[in-house]
Amino acid sequence: QVQLQESGPGLVKPSETLSLTCTVSGGSISSYYWSWIRQPPGKGLEWIGYIYYSGSTNYNSSLKSRVTISVDTSKNHFSLKLSSVTAADTAVYYCARFEYTKSDVTWFDPWGQGTLVTVSS
Amino acid sequence: SYELTQPPSVSVSPGQTASIPCSGDKLGYKYTCWYQQKPGQSPVLVMYQDSKRPSGIPERFSGSNSGTTATLTISGTQAMDEADYYCQAWDNSTVVFGGGTKLTVL
Repeated sequence: QVQLQESGPGLVKPSETLSLTCTVSGGSISSYYWSWIRQPPGKGLEWIGYIYYSGSTNYNSSLKSRVTISVDTSKNHFSLKLSSVTAADTAVYYCARFEYTKSDVTWFDPWGQGTLVTVSS
Repeated sequence: SYELTQPPSVSVSPGQTASIPCSGDKLGYKYTCWYQQKPGQSPVLVMYQDSKRPSGIPERFSGSNSGTTATLTISGTQAMDEADYYCQAWDNSTVVFGGGTKLTVL
């Protein structure tokens, strides 16, 4: 059974870059899409972007200028970088496997446990 | 940009049927999925491709999608079903989430 685990600093200073890694265990990262989603405290879910194991990406247009998602198949993990962060980027960040079929059927499953990142000086 | 609208809250009595709507322009022409999120936990997929249940999801969960509204239905609602529920769709190469509905079982 595939499991995902987020890791990275829980505190980031304003204007700096948030960096997180999602390690995939119990299965290969190959042949799938992988995604980052965030949830500000007490609010709803926001999709950040996804990456295919080959390296192709697609980002939420509202974050595109600040987001980079990369993949390392040799380590079976993928990563998120979000630059120039502000307090509005404070959220629980989740990684998830993204299912995307030719018929535009999409869903996220499974999800990691999430990691809270606070932006504060 | 595409939007999915959910009511902030829905209440249901134990054993009754709960219906959680998710509306969007021509949503019936898109595929919708649903997530359940309990406090302090990660979201869990409970429905995909409008009406398919993932393995391990109880049969009391069902889904439909037609016109402008997708609906998650929980029959014989139990206390353990109390949670936030989010719908999600795909539009113009973008993932869209609904704002979420808090289901209260009382």
